[in-house]
Amino acid sequence: DSGVTQTPKHLITATGQRVTLRCSPRSGDLSVYWYQQSLDQGLQFLIQYYNGEERAKGNILERFSAQQFPDLHSELNLSSLELGDSALYFCASSVSPDTEAFFGQGTRLTVV
Amino acid sequence: DAKTTQPTSMDCAEGRAANLPCNHSTISGNEYVYWYRQIHSQGPQYIIHGLKNNETNEMASLIITEDRKSSTLILPHATLRDTAVYYCIVRWAGSYQLTFGKGTKLSVIP
Repeated sequence: DSGVTQTPKHLITATGQRVTLRCSPRSGDLSVYWYQQSLDQGLQFLIQYYNGEERAKGNILERFSAQQFPDLHSELNLSSLELGDSALYFCASSVSPDTEAFFGQGTRLTVV
Repeated sequence: DAKTTQPTSMDCAEGRAANLPCNHSTISGNEYVYWYRQIHSQGPQYIIHGLKNNETNEMASLIITEDRKSSTLILPHATLRDTAVYYCIVRWAGSYQLTFGKGTKLSVIP
């Protein structure tokens, strides 16, 4: 158990809908990262927050957004969902941006 | 971040040492070598990282060549639970992200 908690574990939704994925980082970790893993793209970095502020952006679509709250948990919002958004979404956390990151068990999103 | 090259797959007999190679010939002086693994579809698991010295922890050892152009992850006594995809990642000290490649699929054989 990495100490990073992601909810829900599974999510099935229809195209065009909006969903919110939640991540609770390890105690004491200020950095949160989001990654997407699909069958054809592998693990792709989406976005990173440090102590509530966005620090880095990767291959995140405009339909996706994230935030980190004062209690350091983070949410990833996915809107106007398409079939191609079906994937595993992982959250990771670290003490600071330049230390090793620990991953949660992921949320499996299925868009039908 | 520098690119890495890993074999697509490897087999290892249970109880033997698993040696997973990684080539990172374009690595620069302030880039670290990280290893993660992913068991089935679970979240990637941090294993070890290093800059230029060899490193060891309770999971594995990391051997980095003197010119830093390649490294080897060693699992000293592989078990069936070590069957996973192993990712070698080169990460600049100031980079916030991990760039995952395709990794090496290690199969531990009974």
